[in-house]
Amino acid sequence: TQLLEQSPQFLSIQEGENLTVYCNSSSVFSSLQWYRQEPGEGPVLLVTVVTGGEVKKLKRLTFQFGDARKDSSLHITAAQPGDTGLYLCAGLANQAGTALIFGKGTTLSVSS
Amino acid sequence: EPEVTQTPSHQVTQMGQEVILRCVPISNHLYFYWYRQILGQKVEFLVSFYNNEISEKSEIFDDQFSVERPDGSNFTLKIRSTKLEDSAMYFCASSDRQGDTEAFFGQGTRLTVV
Repeated sequence: TQLLEQSPQFLSIQEGENLTVYCNSSSVFSSLQWYRQEPGEGPVLLVTVVTGGEVKKLKRLTFQFGDARKDSSLHITAAQPGDTGLYLCAGLANQAGTALIFGKGTTLSVSS
Repeated sequence: EPEVTQTPSHQVTQMGQEVILRCVPISNHLYFYWYRQILGQKVEFLVSFYNNEISEKSEIFDDQFSVERPDGSNFTLKIRSTKLEDSAMYFCASSDRQGDTEAFFGQGTRLTVV
């Protein structure tokens, strides 16, 4: 069974700080996606990484896919209270498949 | 911006009753999915649907579950005889192609079985 482990589970920081959350697996994924989920709402896709070693930037968010395509990280620079939420990574096990496997998520709280 | 819409937002049902959760995927999307999230747990895949048939399903998607696309716009999840452990948020999602693609999720239906 493929699993995605996210760490840390909870993160509470002050506005302006930098942070990194991690998504790790012992399995290879054809792609990894990062979602953000607000309470009572569905996950909203932030980015998809496909190529090993790939780095994608979305404003203050930087996403990296590991060379071996087994792990990914999300780095937020100068966090703001609006970044507060649950960050989920999800992987598509193989390109021919359709099921996304989700991690449990990292709950981020940014206080001003 | 196109979005996936789900109704109802909250459904309370008695154990043993049948429920139908409804979804309107994004209009030009071809792949449709149901996921569920039990409170405090991770999002879990239930089923994917393409070309009017199930593409893939998980172990959770047993005989009490079924999906249907009754017309050109709706995509439904039926739970035949609900159990207490079916209480969860159910998310519908759609995408325009299989593989490394964006899946757009609806707001979810909170199902409470009492």
